[in-house]
Amino acid sequence: EAGVAQSPRYKIIEKRQSVAFWCNPISGHATLYWYQQILGQGPKLLIQFQNNGVVDDSQLPKDRFSAERLKGVDSTLKIQPAKLEDSAVYLCASSLLHSYNSPLHFGNGTRLTVT
Amino acid sequence: EDKVVQSPLSLVVHEGDTVTLNCSYEVTNFRSLLWYKQEKKAPTFLFMLTSSGIEKKSGRLSSILDKKELFSILNITATQTGDSAVYLCAVVGDMRSSNTGKLIFGQGTTLQVKP
Repeated sequence: EAGVAQSPRYKIIEKRQSVAFWCNPISGHATLYWYQQILGQGPKLLIQFQNNGVVDDSQLPKDRFSAERLKGVDSTLKIQPAKLEDSAVYLCASSLLHSYNSPLHFGNGTRLTVT
Repeated sequence: EDKVVQSPLSLVVHEGDTVTLNCSYEVTNFRSLLWYKQEKKAPTFLFMLTSSGIEKKSGRLSSILDKKELFSILNITATQTGDSAVYLCAVVGDMRSSNTGKLIFGQGTTLQVKP
């Protein structure tokens, strides 16, 4: 099966600029996740969708980050305006409906550098 | 507050050595524990553990869960340079707002295997 697709692979922007990341999950996976992974740390959940509804966005900095999953398939994550501390790898993952019993499958991530 | 703590944070061994990585957790209504291996790119799934005392094994890697003491270990025997990676532990707990799980990652253990 095709894996989780993410683009772009790398992005370099200046602070206060905007950036958007795209993710296409594995076909049939209802749950989609965006994680932020800062160098040397484990991934931190930003937002979790089930189909096109948000089930957890408690750690999403909503003043600058937004995400949508129209039609319950692919998703975009946007940062506007970016700060230096947003430099990280942004990982998208997907799983079957109930993540209790199905592991997450990750994309290769987008490495964001904010200068 | 839900948390997952891994130890050691980093480890350097020589080929052929055996290593044990630790993961302890505190999470609301534990459902499962997962181990991932992360090299340069996406974390790749290793094991999912849901029951205490049952060892999961894949080649030179094995893992076991202790739900009473709230920890898991990942063992790698006869290590090879290709085992060099960050090993992530993640725990699935209940999310009050929906019937899907909440995955919380530890900070990871960086393993370096020298020839």
